[in-house]
Amino acid sequence: GQNIDQPTEMTATEGAIVQINCTYQTSGFNGLFWYQQHAGEAPTFLSYNVLDGLEEKGRFSSFLSRSKGYSYLLLKELQMKDSASYLCAVRDLEGKLTFGTGTQLKVEL
Amino acid sequence: DGGITQSPKYLFRKEGQNVTLSCEQNLNHDAMYWYRQDPGQGLRLIYYSQIVNDFQKGDIAEGYSVSREKKESFPLTVTSAQKNPTAFYLCASSTGSSPQGLSPFTDTQYFGPGTRLTVL
Repeated sequence: GQNIDQPTEMTATEGAIVQINCTYQTSGFNGLFWYQQHAGEAPTFLSYNVLDGLEEKGRFSSFLSRSKGYSYLLLKELQMKDSASYLCAVRDLEGKLTFGTGTQLKVEL
Repeated sequence: DGGITQSPKYLFRKEGQNVTLSCEQNLNHDAMYWYRQDPGQGLRLIYYSQIVNDFQKGDIAEGYSVSREKKESFPLTVTSAQKNPTAFYLCASSTGSSPQGLSPFTDTQYFGPGTRLTVL
């Protein structure tokens, strides 16, 4: 099975940089996904890592270390609209996703 | 516009009644999924289907049933046997559940807007 841990809440200032961590223990690993979810809405896909290293996409970057079972999502130049829940999800060898509980990010002025 | 639709957005039912949540996609995706989301918990997989006329139980299938008669549609029935049915239900689809993970863009799951079910 999969076990995924991420912080419950984080607060950051508009214009700053924030890093949201995710650690996982898995019996079979085939990729890690990050989703953004605003309250009451559907999760939207942000990034995907399957190999070690950093994937950059505009203001968002995601890092993976498979040996450490660790990933982080880096958000730069924070905007108020980035206030949302960020979900880490691990895919197993059958293609199924297991989601963490999400990190609620609050961006303040 | 291509996408995934779920209706209705809000649904109220009396305890003991079965209720069916709809999920339709016009993305030509083979795989479809149903998740449940509760406060303070991650999304939990109820059922998934990798191809028409076939589906598998997820982690919390008890009290739920599905059908996949058409590629575009994957309705979920919440039966009276489900003990805590009040939740936010999310449907998702992807091009296919490939065990080898060919590409994130072929296997990434995309979500519908969700249905919030409240059982009174």
